[in-house]
Amino acid sequence: ETGVTQTPRHLVMGMTNKKSLKCEQHLGHNAMYWYKQSAKKPLELMFVYNFKEQTENNSVPSRFSPECPNSSHLFLHLHTLQPEDSALYLCASSQGSGGEETQYFGPGTRLLVL
Amino acid sequence: GENVEQHPSTLSVQEGDSAVIKCTYSDSASNYFPWYKQELGKRPQLIIDIRSNVGEKKDQRIAVTLNKTAKHFSLHITETQPEDSAVYFCAASRRGSTLGRLYFGRGTQLTVWP
Repeated sequence: ETGVTQTPRHLVMGMTNKKSLKCEQHLGHNAMYWYKQSAKKPLELMFVYNFKEQTENNSVPSRFSPECPNSSHLFLHLHTLQPEDSALYLCASSQGSGGEETQYFGPGTRLLVL
Repeated sequence: GENVEQHPSTLSVQEGDSAVIKCTYSDSASNYFPWYKQELGKRPQLIIDIRSNVGEKKDQRIAVTLNKTAKHFSLHITETQPEDSAVYFCAASRRGSTLGRLYFGRGTQLTVWP
């Protein structure tokens, strides 16, 4: 399962730290996504990128800052996070047209904010 | 926007029995309904999907049914095995919607007892 990779797999950070999550897809897809997965909550879409352009920001707080330098790489920059931001952050990619695209997920980064 | 409800939240069955998970959606324009399986500590993976132009789709022991009039769709797993134990997510989207916008249910924790 190397189509979509994420690093790091685990991250512990303080509320004043700055860190970045990285996602890379090797599937030749044009669309990439960030999701947040918390206990007892549905998968929450955070950001969508298509051909490096952000097409959706799902009312995400500004302490989360995405970056998509090219169609294969996606970053999520984190700063001054809150304990409630602790969750599994999943990256996904799809071919890149609307609606019916199968999304392929990465293994996720398990984030703990102290 | 779309609202996807999923039931039950937990389901326990004996090995060999059948399991059924149900989802309802609110947007009558939704026309694509994938199901994802997430094993413990692993990424969500697509197991089956259905489009609104068909009422049922099968793949070995799993099947999905769709009732467009009632706006609900279901996942059926027959002859369950312990390796079917996982969290299952349903989702809905529609062609022409915001790129890649999958609306997920809250998930069903399926446990298959040997």
